Amino acid sequence: NAGVTQTPKFQVLKTGQSMTLQCAQDMNHNSMYWYRQDPGMGLRLIYYSASEGTTDKGEVPNGYNVSRLNKREFSLRLESAAPSQTSVYFCASKPGDGVETQYFGPGTRLLVL
Amino acid sequence: AQSVAQPEDQVNVAEGNPLTVKCTYSVSGNPYLFWYVQYPNRGLQFLLKYITGDNLVKGSYGFEAEFNKSQTSFHLKKPSALVSDSALYFCAVKYNAGNNRKLIWGLGTSLAVNP
Repeated sequence: NAGVTQTPKFQVLKTGQSMTLQCAQDMNHNSMYWYRQDPGMGLRLIYYSASEGTTDKGEVPNGYNVSRLNKREFSLRLESAAPSQTSVYFCASKPGDGVETQYFGPGTRLLVL
Repeated sequence: AQSVAQPEDQVNVAEGNPLTVKCTYSVSGNPYLFWYVQYPNRGLQFLLKYITGDNLVKGSYGFEAEFNKSQTSFHLKKPSALVSDSALYFCAVKYNAGNNRKLIWGLGTSLAVNP
């Protein structure tokens, strides 16, 4: 199993550009998450999907949209990137209710100029 | 407000010495408690968790943690540190938030094990 994979690994954007961060898991997990990690701020939840077909806002959803394309894939879209969105983005998944361990991808480093 | 704190930004320990990385929390109800580790340029990896039962939890790589309800703490420990344990450690707490359970994360503690 590859676990949780994320693409791209690194991206540079100009302010106002758009992009989609891709995440896929091959563990048949129901729940998937997008976090951002910033120095001194820890991990903050952007959006999550408790199961296929559902998405919900997390702590910092503004400026982002998500799509749970199918059970495997959960993408994060920045419609108009801002420098404040410079961060490291992590996707995670877990089997579902009752199983609490999350499995993380390797991260996407995003720099918005 | 519900919160989780890792009071030390950085912990330094000599190889072979015991290590402790601290975590305290303030949440309502019975929490689920977690430790994750992040090596440089990698995603977080699960180390151990406390849900219920024995207060002493053993996890990966020789780590353990003790749930202390009276002190609302869940400190991570290892009897003998290795240089390869150098990483960023995150404590997380899941608590009851109305009809849901919400997960909150500490800010992380950087552990440096010196040879």
